[in-house]
Amino acid sequence: QLQLQESGPGLVKPSETLSLTCTVSGDSIGRSGYYWGWIRQPPGRGLEWIGSIAYSGNTYYNPSLMSRVTISRDMSQNQFSLKLTSVTAADTAIYYCGREQALTMMGDYWGRGTLVTVSS
Amino acid sequence: EIVLTQSPVTLSFPPGERATLSCRASQSVDRYLAWYQHKPGQSPRLLIYDVSNRATGIPARFTGSGSGTDFTLTISSLEPEDSAVYYCHHRNGWPETFGPGTTVEIK
Repeated sequence: QLQLQESGPGLVKPSETLSLTCTVSGDSIGRSGYYWGWIRQPPGRGLEWIGSIAYSGNTYYNPSLMSRVTISRDMSQNQFSLKLTSVTAADTAIYYCGREQALTMMGDYWGRGTLVTVSS
Repeated sequence: EIVLTQSPVTLSFPPGERATLSCRASQSVDRYLAWYQHKPGQSPRLLIYDVSNRATGIPARFTGSGSGTDFTLTISSLEPEDSAVYYCHHRNGWPETFGPGTTVEIK
């Protein structure tokens, strides 16, 4: 059964870099036909897609965050990561990692999320 | 970027009533449209994928329909546990987007 676990600091100072890791069990992040990505939910607001990394290693980002975001992967650890630079209070949110399936949305699944607060 | 608009913003019905949620896209999303149920403290739960297919374990009272730019999620007979925010989500190219959500209240 697929399990996704987000980990990383729960508090980040303004202007610093937010770094989160998603550890995957029950599937391989290198499996053909799948993407691994991040979404977030600021307090009191809706869901926002951040970006994803494909099985091929190609990355795709939300244009509104593209200048600050990097998604990478560690195949040996079956993990993928999110880095968001120059954070502000507007980046305070619950961050979810997840899996998306190419050519169908049948295999889409998101983790339980982790709250990251940006504050000095 | 494809913008998804959802209506109504909030919907409130007693148990047993039928609820109809709407999602409209600014351009065609083909069949790459899903509906999620999201409760506080939980992960977004996939209800409907590819417009009209129920995800594994989803009760038959949830039905998705539509095509092109106009989509509907129908909950045929509301249960107390259906209280949540419902989002539509497209994956017809990048960037993916979510609708702003419809809050369903069971009174």
